[in-house]
Amino acid sequence: AQKVTQTQTSISVVEKTTVTMDCVYETRDSSYFLFWYKQTASGEIVFLIRQDSYKKENATVGHYSLNFQKPKSSIGLIITATQIEDSAVYFCAMREGNNRIFFGDGTQLVVKP
Amino acid sequence: EAAVTQSPRNKVTVTGGNVTLSCRQTNSHNYMYWYRQDTGHGLRLIHYSYGAGNLQIGDVPDGYKATRTTQEDFFLLLELASPSQTSLYFCASSDRISNERLFFGHGTKLSVL
Repeated sequence: AQKVTQTQTSISVVEKTTVTMDCVYETRDSSYFLFWYKQTASGEIVFLIRQDSYKKENATVGHYSLNFQKPKSSIGLIITATQIEDSAVYFCAMREGNNRIFFGDGTQLVVKP
Repeated sequence: EAAVTQSPRNKVTVTGGNVTLSCRQTNSHNYMYWYRQDTGHGLRLIHYSYGAGNLQIGDVPDGYKATRTTQEDFFLLLELASPSQTSLYFCASSDRISNERLFFGHGTKLSVL
C-alpha cells in the first residue's frame, strides 16, 4: 500500500484565488514529519513547508499553509492568492522515525490569468 | 543554502552497461538519499544512508547498488543497466540542523538503450 497518497492529479485555478491540495498518509509511528515540496518546470525540487506530527497548530509560511487533521491522517496544502509562478507539481512527503522519506505521486497545479 | 551536486546531468548507456551516478553535498548532512522519478510515480526511494559506510535499503532497490564513501559523497551504481532503469534520478541530503528538510540536486537523466 502506498504510504503517501495524493488523489488529485491536476488542478487548474485562476490567479489570485485559493487552492487546496489533498494528501493522506499511512504510518504506525507515533512521531513523524510531513512536508510539501514543489517541482518547477525546470525540474528543480524545493522545500515549501513542514508539519511536525506532535504539533497541533497548522504550519504557515508566506502564502502557504497546512490543514493538518491527524485523526484522518491528512495534511492538505493551502495556497492563498495564487500567482502564475505557483504553477508547478506539488509533492507531499512523510518522514518516519527510521528516516525513510516517502513521497506522493504529485499534483500538477496550473494557475491561469 | 545547502548545496547538493549531481553528476553527470545526462547519461546514455546501452543495456548491460555499467553506470555510476555521483552525488556530493557540502553541508555536513548525515543523511543522503537516492530517488528515481518516473511519470505517474512521483519520487521512489532507492537507497539511503546516514553516514560514511552505511547503507539502507529503500523501496525500489532491485538492480541498484549504492555506496557512501564519505559524509559528502554518495554513489548509485547500476552494474547491468536495463531499459526499465531509464529515469530521472535525484539525490538529496538532510539533517536535524536543516530541520529535516531535504535539499535536492538538479537530477541526472539516464537513458538505457
